[in-house]
Amino acid sequence: SAVISQKPSRDICQRGTSLTIQCQVDSQVTMMFWYRQQPGQSLTLIATANQGSEATYESGFVIDKFPISRPNLTFSTLTVSNMSPEDSSIYLCSVRVGKTGDSNQPQHFGDGTRLSIL
Amino acid sequence: SQQGEEDPQALSIQEGENATMNCSYKTSINNLQWYRQNSGRGLVHLILIRSNEREKHSGRLRVTLDTSKKSSSLLITASRAADTASYFCATRASGSRLTFGEGTQLTVNP
Repeated sequence: SAVISQKPSRDICQRGTSLTIQCQVDSQVTMMFWYRQQPGQSLTLIATANQGSEATYESGFVIDKFPISRPNLTFSTLTVSNMSPEDSSIYLCSVRVGKTGDSNQPQHFGDGTRLSIL
Repeated sequence: SQQGEEDPQALSIQEGENATMNCSYKTSINNLQWYRQNSGRGLVHLILIRSNEREKHSGRLRVTLDTSKKSSSLLITASRAADTASYFCATRASGSRLTFGEGTQLTVNP
């Protein structure tokens, strides 16, 4: 498995501002993902963070709102831009270790960033 | 939309009892994974079961998978107050993303 460190663990932000969340993994991983968990709900995939290229976004999520960087195999950032109260959620970084084509590897999660927008 | 559906949505039991949570899904999968989430925290990976497996054990956890019925169950035996958490199943089809169910909130009363 991998140890995933996510920062900040929580924040309270003003509407209209942006926040960048960092995800650091203790080993090189092939796949990194960002999820959102709205209050009382399940997890929804925002995007797959691709190393050295643009992230792959899921339906309903766009790069202008959630820009993602992944400069190397151990680090990624997610920015939540121009925040509104509807963005109040837990944002989670997730990684899968193993070969790119091997989907039978566990997917692990960081502790998440609890974001509240006033 | 979420592929997995879990039942019950909430389960309350006494310490020492067994807890069973069920997960159903709609399409063929490569594997199914179970996670635990303590309140407001990240997800802890519990078990991955592959589509060609029928049962797996890990400590007090037992997971079954019935691909003909597209369903899985998570059994926690001899539950403890510390098992209180939300439990999620997540499915992965070939090459695709992990899709989560809605989760079961388990409360174990001391």
